[in-house]
Amino acid sequence: GNSVTQMEGPVTLSEEAFLTINCTYTATGYPSLFWYVQYPGEGLQLLLKATKADDKGSNKGFEATYRKETTSFHLEKGSVQVSDSAVYFCALSDINGGYQKVTFGIGTKLQVIP
Amino acid sequence: EAGVTQFPSHSVIEKGQTVTLRCDPISGHDNLYWYRRVMGKEIKFLLHFVKESKQDESGMPNNRFLAERTGGTYSTLKVQPAELEDSGVYFCASSQGLMNSPLHFGNGTRLTVT
Repeated sequence: GNSVTQMEGPVTLSEEAFLTINCTYTATGYPSLFWYVQYPGEGLQLLLKATKADDKGSNKGFEATYRKETTSFHLEKGSVQVSDSAVYFCALSDINGGYQKVTFGIGTKLQVIP
Repeated sequence: EAGVTQFPSHSVIEKGQTVTLRCDPISGHDNLYWYRRVMGKEIKFLLHFVKESKQDESGMPNNRFLAERTGGTYSTLKVQPAELEDSGVYFCASSQGLMNSPLHFGNGTRLTVT
């Protein structure tokens, strides 16, 4: 079956530091890849996505590139802010029986300190 | 538009009791999903409704869990009787009928079984 592996946190960074959260996946088909973010006290929000190989998803300064050869979708941001403190989930979506099914990773908690 | 709404936000019950969680999806969304995140683990799929029909319930842990979506609008997830290992955050998500429509998540219900 499908699976998503992402680095376990927590990750603690100083403001303006560079962020990388690694994510690799295993899938039988050609999945779409996502990063979701959960801010404290809120639900999951879609941060960015990529639907095919070599696509780059980007939003709010975050980027991730769909690498089929390494089955990876690492999340990066050049300069983090305190407001980026949240839990980040890597996920893939595949079509199962005509409907999409989303598989999540374990989530990586990011804490950015001033 | 109103987002996905879940009720209650928190629930603390004793082992052996019954709890019912409710999810109101975004109006017009045919797809409704239930997920669960046990502390420190990945977000796991429980089941998927298309309108009022159960499309996929392969993630339901056991027969103590019962999900319904009468009339194809809101959904309930009942746990009866609750066990300690049922503790976690239960997320509901909805999406439109299109195959790769993004999932919109609620804030989740944090269930604690003591």
